[in-house]
Amino acid sequence: ETGVTQTPRHLVMGMTNKKSLKCEQHLGHNAMYWYKQSAKKPLELMFVYNFKEQTENNSVPSRFSPECPNSSHLFLHLHTLQPEDSALYLCASSPFPQGVNEKLFFGSGTQLSVL
Amino acid sequence: SQQGEEDPQALSIQEGENATMNCSYKTSINNLQWYRQNSGRGLVHLILIRSNEREKHSGRLRVTLDTSKKSSSLLITASRAADTASYFCAAGGGNTPLVFGKGTRLSVIA
Repeated sequence: ETGVTQTPRHLVMGMTNKKSLKCEQHLGHNAMYWYKQSAKKPLELMFVYNFKEQTENNSVPSRFSPECPNSSHLFLHLHTLQPEDSALYLCASSPFPQGVNEKLFFGSGTQLSVL
Repeated sequence: SQQGEEDPQALSIQEGENATMNCSYKTSINNLQWYRQNSGRGLVHLILIRSNEREKHSGRLRVTLDTSKKSSSLLITASRAADTASYFCAAGGGNTPLVFGKGTRLSVIA
């Protein structure tokens, strides 16, 4: 148990659906991240939030919309996704914005399938 | 990019043998981190080595860092079936988020 909880664990959605992924951390961390992991590809950093403010958007399509209402919660809102968006979506947190010697704490991920 | 690149992509060994995985990166770093991922789960931090360190141990794990060659290695001694997982390195530098490679898939056969 890393202290980072993601729900749901599995999600199947059609291309016209709207769904949201949720991440919650109980570690008192100030930075939160969304990563995408597709088969046979490196982990892709999607978004970074530091003290609730978005500090990085790695050219992510607008059909992915993040929300960070407070330092403990992070959402990823999904709409009109494509089959190639099927992947494991991982949330992570760190005590402070990624800097010297910070390590990441990951949730177990949401396995997303887009039909 | 700080991205780490692991080598080999896949490794299969017998239980009790040692497993060595390598990582290369491109730019200067403050630290190099190794993570482990069981199938379909999140990554778990294993060990962090700072740029001014050359070797670090944690239980059965030994990590080396050669900043002149921009490379690191992870050695798992006396491997167990439970060590079967994917292992990722990530280079940390300045205030940029960690960027991970594709990982090494380790299979330990009982």
